[in-house]
Amino acid sequence: GAGVSQSPSNKVTEKGKDVELRCDPISGHTALYWYRQSLGQGLEFLIYFQGNSAPDKSGLPSDRFSAERTGGSVSTLTIQRTQQEDSAVYLCASSSRLRDGEQYFGPGTRLTVT
Amino acid sequence: AQSVTQPDIHITVSEGASLELRCNYSYGATPYLFWYVQSPGQGLQLLLKYFSGDTLVQGIKGFEAEFKRSQSSFNLRKPSVHWSDAAEYFCAVGAPQAGTALIFGKGTTLSVSS
Repeated sequence: GAGVSQSPSNKVTEKGKDVELRCDPISGHTALYWYRQSLGQGLEFLIYFQGNSAPDKSGLPSDRFSAERTGGSVSTLTIQRTQQEDSAVYLCASSSRLRDGEQYFGPGTRLTVT
Repeated sequence: AQSVTQPDIHITVSEGASLELRCNYSYGATPYLFWYVQSPGQGLQLLLKYFSGDTLVQGIKGFEAEFKRSQSSFNLRKPSVHWSDAAEYFCAVGAPQAGTALIFGKGTTLSVSS
């Protein structure tokens, strides 16, 4: 079956612009996660959704970052007023209640802020 | 604090030789342990996981890992490395409950020499 998909695969933006990153999880997966992978920092958790609600936003680095999920499926991560330190690969993962803890990752979106 | 340590940033192994990648974790509860592999430009692929039971777990691509509670370790092994195994390997720890963020190590880059 189809895995987790993310778009765009690459995004180059100017400092100060807003960007939206999209994640389409595996069909039927109720849990969705966003992580950020940057040089020197490794993989960092950003936010978790169960259905459309986000019980854990603890990893969002600043109020410029927000995310939503609609229809229990697609999620969008928005970064406002991008900064150069936002440059990273943003990974999305999803998991099923039937296989707790096992997260399936998408290919990521590489964001470059110039 | 919860953390995962992968002591080796970069390892080079000859093709056909054996491999061991080290992982140590610090986690306050019963850990769920994972090894993921990431090829350049790709997302994370799950190699294997440990939830409970037999402490030696088998994964895909001929990999195995052994959970040693007394040493807080979950080292990844492969008896004979192939050139296609060259990639970055991440160890991660999480909790049994769905929705728990994974905590990742900083990764080990494996190079395979001919």
